[in-house]
Amino acid sequence: QLQLQESGPGLVKPSETLSLTCTVSGGSLSSSLYYWGWIRQPPGKGLEWIGTIYYNGSTFNSPSLKSRVIISVDTSKSQFSLELRSVTAADTAVYYCARQKRVIAPGHFDYWGQGTLVPVSS
Amino acid sequence: SYELTQPPSVSVSPGQTASITCSGDKLGDKYASWYQQKPGQSPVLVIFQDSKRPSGISERFSGSNSGNTATLTISGTQAMDEADYYCQAWDRSTAVFGGGTKLTVL
Repeated sequence: QLQLQESGPGLVKPSETLSLTCTVSGGSLSSSLYYWGWIRQPPGKGLEWIGTIYYNGSTFNSPSLKSRVIISVDTSKSQFSLELRSVTAADTAVYYCARQKRVIAPGHFDYWGQGTLVPVSS
Repeated sequence: SYELTQPPSVSVSPGQTASITCSGDKLGDKYASWYQQKPGQSPVLVIFQDSKRPSGISERFSGSNSGNTATLTISGTQAMDEADYYCQAWDRSTAVFGGGTKLTVL
């Protein structure tokens, strides 16, 4: 059974960089059949896509966050990571990592991590 | 940028059929997916590629997508179906989620 687990600091200060890692187990990060994505959800609000990465390192990023986001992959560790720079209180959210099925292009998200709440506060 | 529009809320009586819509420009030309999210839980995929159900998802869930509208239909709605539902599509190298619909089973 595929499992994804987010990890990272529980609190980030304004203007600093939010860094999260997603560890994949029970499946291969190197499969050509899947992409790997980050999605966030501010408290009480809807889902917002942040970005998606392929095992070869090619990425797709949300236009609204693109200038502040770096997504990377380390297949040797079965991990992919998110860096979000210059955070503000508006970046407070539950951050999810998820597997995204390749359907010609990236498609649906079929497995999700449990999510991790990252408050941005001084 | 591409947008998907959902009604904020839908109410249904137990045993009846619930329909949740998702509207976007030429959405029927793309694949639509649907996710169910219960309070405090991660989203769960319930429909992908417009009308396919993942393994383990009840046959009561079905989907369609044509023109500018994708529809999630839940037949014989049960109390356990009460949740937030999100549609999602991929448009020009971008994943887009709808704003979400809160389904209430009265």
